[in-house]
Amino acid sequence: GESVGLHLPTLSVQEGDNSIINCAYSNSASDYFIWYKQESGKGPQFIIDIRSNMDKRQGQRVTVLLNKTVKHLSLQIAATQPGDSAVYFCAENMDSSYKLIFGSGTRLLVRP
Amino acid sequence: ETGVTQTPRHLVMGMTNKKSLKCEQHLGHNAMYWYKQSAKKPLELMFVYNFKEQTENNSVPSRFSPECPNSSHLFLHLHTLQPEDSALYLCASSQENPGRSYGYTFGSGTRLTVV
Repeated sequence: GESVGLHLPTLSVQEGDNSIINCAYSNSASDYFIWYKQESGKGPQFIIDIRSNMDKRQGQRVTVLLNKTVKHLSLQIAATQPGDSAVYFCAENMDSSYKLIFGSGTRLLVRP
Repeated sequence: ETGVTQTPRHLVMGMTNKKSLKCEQHLGHNAMYWYKQSAKKPLELMFVYNFKEQTENNSVPSRFSPECPNSSHLFLHLHTLQPEDSALYLCASSQENPGRSYGYTFGSGTRLTVV
């Protein structure tokens, strides 16, 4: 499941610091958003979601922020750990469609 | 394990070969999907099946032929592929549309290399 060869933007952070990963989505009519994490050798895994009637949602060590005005989504990871090293994708969904449209992804590297 | 199993994990095939990718989900979901993840265009939707009926074909070349015999199984039949078809092929499933199902559950993918 690794994204080997992808020329992804990379965010490098020190272990223990906070990470912020950004995503610009494409469709102003999208009303549901998800962040996925993809580790080497695995498929994407659900982290956290948010609906368009909210602008912030918190999980365990993760927070998603939604700015519909500028079609921007961000994922904040608190106290980043080595196990957080992965590729992170945002995905958008619209109006009961079965399609999830994925962003291009960001690679997060955590320095020990 | 996520409950979505893909086989094989790795596949190398010549351009004249015929092979099939298999996906099985043990989650009781009603919708299944094929995505292609490559170096140039990550996570492209290929096909959507809802209750065994194909509801989306995202302009995929005919050398890729999906089959969904029941809600638990999904196949991708491959023939006369090109080297640019080399990619990670991901299967996913959901109970209903992603907005009501917390998105998709993905398998680990099949890494396909066309030589």
